[in-house]
Amino acid sequence: EAQVTQNPRYLITVTGKKLTVTCSQNMNHEYMSWYRQDPGLGLRQIYYSMNVEVTDKGDVPEGYKVSRKEKRNFPLILESPSPNQTSLYFCASSSASGGNEQFFGPGTRLTVL
Amino acid sequence: QKEVEQNSGPLSVPEGAIASLNCTYSDRGSQSFFWYRQYSGKSPELIMSIYSNGDKEDGRFTAQLNKASQYVSLLIRDSQPSDSATYLCAVRNNFNKFYFGSGTKLNVKP
Repeated sequence: EAQVTQNPRYLITVTGKKLTVTCSQNMNHEYMSWYRQDPGLGLRQIYYSMNVEVTDKGDVPEGYKVSRKEKRNFPLILESPSPNQTSLYFCASSSASGGNEQFFGPGTRLTVL
Repeated sequence: QKEVEQNSGPLSVPEGAIASLNCTYSDRGSQSFFWYRQYSGKSPELIMSIYSNGDKEDGRFTAQLNKASQYVSLLIRDSQPSDSATYLCAVRNNFNKFYFGSGTKLNVKP
């Protein structure tokens, strides 16, 4: 089954404790992206990657890091999480050809205390 | 000014009616336009994509794009209670960045 997976689905952590949210896709997509969704603000793009070793900042990259060492994986790293990073996070992927319709993972609900 | 603007709603329509959802965007260089449906607590699900001016129909859904007016719309015919969700408009610009509107909540009343 074609899908985007994220782990963990739920995470409660404390300020300053480094964490990684994993994202993996099995569709051989070139384009992968991370979003955060907050009430009233909608989905905002954090980082995106056009292909392996190619990443770029989205709209709200501060406080986040990403890497793309393999085509299927695109982990999101919070080196020193803060309460304002409490949010619902989505990973998405799409083919570079065609229209770039994105397919979303199930989401990760992160709470930073 | 936000890149993508949507009326937050809620938009209430009776079952069987046409629901009309609207979206405007600010970047004239935008290439691709998408409508996603999101149920509460779930991830966005692609409904329609449109790339050129005019209408695109898929079942009960019609997307309309007017690049001169920087306007995208989604029509849902014969609305069903199961269509009740938040609808997100998304735009991809020339640099492969995606911008989403904050969504319009649709309620379809039986």
